[in-house]
Amino acid sequence: EDQVTQSPEALRLQEGESSSLNCSYTVSGLRGLFWYRQDPGKGPEFLFTLYSAGEEKEKERLKATLTKKESFLHITAPKPEDSATYLCAVQARTSGSARQLTFGSGTQLTVLP
Amino acid sequence: DAGITQSPRHKVTETGTPVTLRCHQTENHRYMYWYRQDPGHGLRLIHYSYGVKDTDKGEVSDGYSVSRSKTEDFLLTLESATSSQTSVYFCAISGVRDTYEQYFGPGTRLTVT
Repeated sequence: EDQVTQSPEALRLQEGESSSLNCSYTVSGLRGLFWYRQDPGKGPEFLFTLYSAGEEKEKERLKATLTKKESFLHITAPKPEDSATYLCAVQARTSGSARQLTFGSGTQLTVLP
Repeated sequence: DAGITQSPRHKVTETGTPVTLRCHQTENHRYMYWYRQDPGHGLRLIHYSYGVKDTDKGEVSDGYSVSRSKTEDFLLTLESATSSQTSVYFCAISGVRDTYEQYFGPGTRLTVT
C-alpha cells in the first residue's frame, strides 16, 4: 500500500527564516511526486512534479527536491503570503488508468511578519 | 487557473436525503476525480472517470455513485446522505498532456444534519 507522511504537521517561521518541509513516501514504483499548496477554503494548487531521484524544481522562494525515499520543499526567505498548507502526493507506476494520487496530511505553514 | 467549477459551493442537507454535486470543466481533460477532505485524513479518492461513461471506484466509494455523460461534466451523488458524509468535496482533472498532475476545483462544503 502506498503511503505518504509529511512532517512537521505545523511550522511557524518568522519572515525571512528559511526552512524545509519533509515528505516521506513508500510506493511500489514511483511515477511521480507532486507538491501542492492549499489556502484556507480553496482547492489545492499544483506547484511541482518530480519524477526521479536527484531531480529539483524551483518556483520563486520554493525549491522541491527528491530522493528515493523522501522529498523536501525548501522555503527560502519566506514571506507572510507563503502561509498555507503544503500537500505532498505520490503516484505509483501501478496506478494504471486511474492515475491515482495518494496524499499526505499536509504541513500547515505560518509565516509571521 | 484550470477551468473547473463546482456547484453548489455550500450545501446543508438532512440525513437520508439524496444529494448531487456537479463538477464542470472547460479544459477537455480526459480524467476527472472526486475527493473528500477531512481533518486527520487528508484527501481521499471517492471515484474517478477516465472517459465518458467510464468510471471506477476509489478508496472511499461506499455510499457514493458517479456519472459522466459528457466530457465536461462529472456528477457525484449521495443516494441517502449520512452525517459521516459531512466533508469538503473536491473535483480534479488531469490528462490533456502527457503529464500526470491533477488540477483541483474550488470545493463544495457539504453538511449533513
